[in-house]
Amino acid sequence: AQSVSQHNHHVILSEAASLELGCNYSYGGTVNLFWYVQYPGQHLQLLLKYFSGDPLVKGIKGFEAEFIKSKFSFNLRKPSVQWSDTAEYFCAVNANTNAGKSTFGDGTTLTVKP
Amino acid sequence: DGGITQSPKYLFRKEGQNVTLSCEQNLNHDAMYWYRQDPGQGLRLIYYSQIVNDFQKGDIAEGYSVSREKKESFPLTVTSAQKNPTAFYLCASSALGLADGYEQYFGPGTRLTVT
Repeated sequence: AQSVSQHNHHVILSEAASLELGCNYSYGGTVNLFWYVQYPGQHLQLLLKYFSGDPLVKGIKGFEAEFIKSKFSFNLRKPSVQWSDTAEYFCAVNANTNAGKSTFGDGTTLTVKP
Repeated sequence: DGGITQSPKYLFRKEGQNVTLSCEQNLNHDAMYWYRQDPGQGLRLIYYSQIVNDFQKGDIAEGYSVSREKKESFPLTVTSAQKNPTAFYLCASSALGLADGYEQYFGPGTRLTVT
C-alpha cells in the first residue's frame, strides 16, 4: 500500500521568506506525484505535478518541486512567499498500476504574515 | 465552463437519517472519487469509480454507499451506520489515461453536520 507523509502540519512565515514543505512517500513502483493547494474558501486545485521527465517541476505562482527518487521525496519550494500563499497544501501520490487512486498526506497549513 | 458541482454546500441532518450528497461533472472524465476531509487528517478515500456501473471501496467505505449509473454523476449516501458522519466531503474526477498522471479535479465540497 502507498502512503504519504508531510512533515510539517503548520508553518508560519513572514512575507519574502523562503518556503520548503517536505513530502515523502512509500511505494516501490512508478509513481505520479502532486501538490494540491486549498486557498481559503476555494476549491482544492492542482499546484504542480510530476509524472515523467525532468524531476524538477514548476507550477503556478512561482512554486516548484523536486522529485528525488532515491529519497522517495517530493518537496515543495518557493523562494519568496507572499501573503496570498496562505493556504493548506496537500502532497499526493498515485501509482500507474492503480490507475487514478491517489493517497494524500495530512496537509500543511501555511500562514504568511504580511 | 467545465467542472465539478456538488450540492448542497451545507447540509444538516438528524442522527439516524440517511443523506445523499450530489456530485456532477461535465469534464467527460471516466473516473470519479469521494473523499472525506477532517482537520489534520488530509483527504481519505471513501469510494471511487473508473467506469459506469462499477465502483470500488476506498480506505473508509464503512457506513457509505455510492452509485454510478451515468458517467457524469456519482452520488454518495451517508447512511445511519456511519458512526461519525459530520465532515467535509469532496468529490473529484480524473481522466484515466497516463498522459497527465491521473490529475484530479475537485468540486467545492459539501459540509455535512449531523446532530
